[in-house]
Amino acid sequence: DTGVSQDPRHKITKRGQNVTFRCDPISEHNRLYWYRQTLGQGPEFLTYFQNEAQLEKSRLLSDRFSAERPKGSFSTLEIQRTEQGDSAMYLCASSFSGAGTDTQYFGPGTRLTVL
Amino acid sequence: AQSVTQPDIHITVSEGASLELRCNYSYGATPYLFWYVQSPGQGLQLLLKYFSGDTLVQGIKGFEAEFKRSQSSFNLRKPSVHWSDAAEYFCAVGATPGFQKLVFGTGTRLLVSP
Repeated sequence: DTGVSQDPRHKITKRGQNVTFRCDPISEHNRLYWYRQTLGQGPEFLTYFQNEAQLEKSRLLSDRFSAERPKGSFSTLEIQRTEQGDSAMYLCASSFSGAGTDTQYFGPGTRLTVL
Repeated sequence: AQSVTQPDIHITVSEGASLELRCNYSYGATPYLFWYVQSPGQGLQLLLKYFSGDTLVQGIKGFEAEFKRSQSSFNLRKPSVHWSDAAEYFCAVGATPGFQKLVFGTGTRLLVSP
């Protein structure tokens, strides 16, 4: 199977601009996750979808962040009015929820730099 | 709340030597535990996982990990390190049965010397 893909791989933007990232999960996976990883840290959970429903959001996900998964397939993460503190690697993962022990598989990430 | 501690920020190992990376978790119930590896600028690759059963689990690339409930540990080991193993290693815990998110440690950077 083709793993999780993310687009773009790198994004450089100016402060105040909006950006959107896309994630395509493994095809049969019904769960999709977004994480953020800053330099020298482990990934931190942002939000999660089961099919098209967004079931949990972290306190890290401020009002400037919005995520969608309109048809239960690919997902987008939008950041409005970017700030320098948003610079990070944004990781997407997907899993299949069977027997309550699903395993998350990660994409290559989108590295965002806000100038 | 659940948490993961990886006490070693950096570890340097000679090529061919054995490796042990430490991971301690804090979680009240039976944890679901994972080790992932990340090469520079890349996403995370799953090395191995523990859900239940045998406390010694085998993974890819010759890695293994042992779950020790009494020590709240899930240390990663490899008997002979290769230069290509140089990367960042993350331990993670799944928070609840049917968990919806992973909680990661801060990672251990492995350097391999010739």
